[in-house]
Amino acid sequence: AQTVTQSQPEMSVQEAETVTLSCTYDTSESDYYLFWYKQPPSRQMILVIRQEAYKQQNATENRFSVNFQKAAKSFSLKISDSQLGDAAMYFCAYRSTVTQGGSEKLVFGKGTKLTVNP
Amino acid sequence: DADVTQTPRNRITKTGKRIMLECSQTKGHDRMYWYRQDPGLGLQLIYYSFDVKDINKGEISDGYSVSRQAQAKFSLSLESAIPNQTALYFCATREPGTGGYSNQPQHFGDGTRLSIL
Repeated sequence: AQTVTQSQPEMSVQEAETVTLSCTYDTSESDYYLFWYKQPPSRQMILVIRQEAYKQQNATENRFSVNFQKAAKSFSLKISDSQLGDAAMYFCAYRSTVTQGGSEKLVFGKGTKLTVNP
Repeated sequence: DADVTQTPRNRITKTGKRIMLECSQTKGHDRMYWYRQDPGLGLQLIYYSFDVKDINKGEISDGYSVSRQAQAKFSLSLESAIPNQTALYFCATREPGTGGYSNQPQHFGDGTRLSIL
């Protein structure tokens, strides 16, 4: 079974600075998808960014980018020019490409709480 | 308007009661999911459905049942609620993707916070 590990329960960053959130995963599959979701205090789960494992190029979405290291099974999220509105829980998630049985599910890490200091 | 709507937003009830959480979507997606979130544990999949006639158990389905009344509606029931089912419950939807790849992300509702006394 796949597992996702977020080793940083909490992180903090100064407004306008850059912060990197770590995520590692364990899988025997060669093709899969990885996601970062943001959960602000309003408790919505908001998709931040996604990465297909077959793509070598790291995904970017405005101030958010990932560092995808397939061999190391690492998928970190970099937030540039941090804003107060970035304060939230961030969850890393994994999903198989094979939509059969339990592989349809998103496997979530336990989350990293990000605080942005003014 | 929200694409994925969950009702109620909050609910407090007593042990032994039957509870139904409802989810409706306007996205036209065929796939719908129910997750549970406990503090410090991330989200865990309870049930998922590919269409009205295709319902599957997730990793923590015991004590729960679901009903897919229509493509747009997916309800979660707790037949006899117990305190350790106190949690935040999320409904999500996803379109299947194209070309044999399921690369579409899941879209979540705002959650139902359920407290069982």
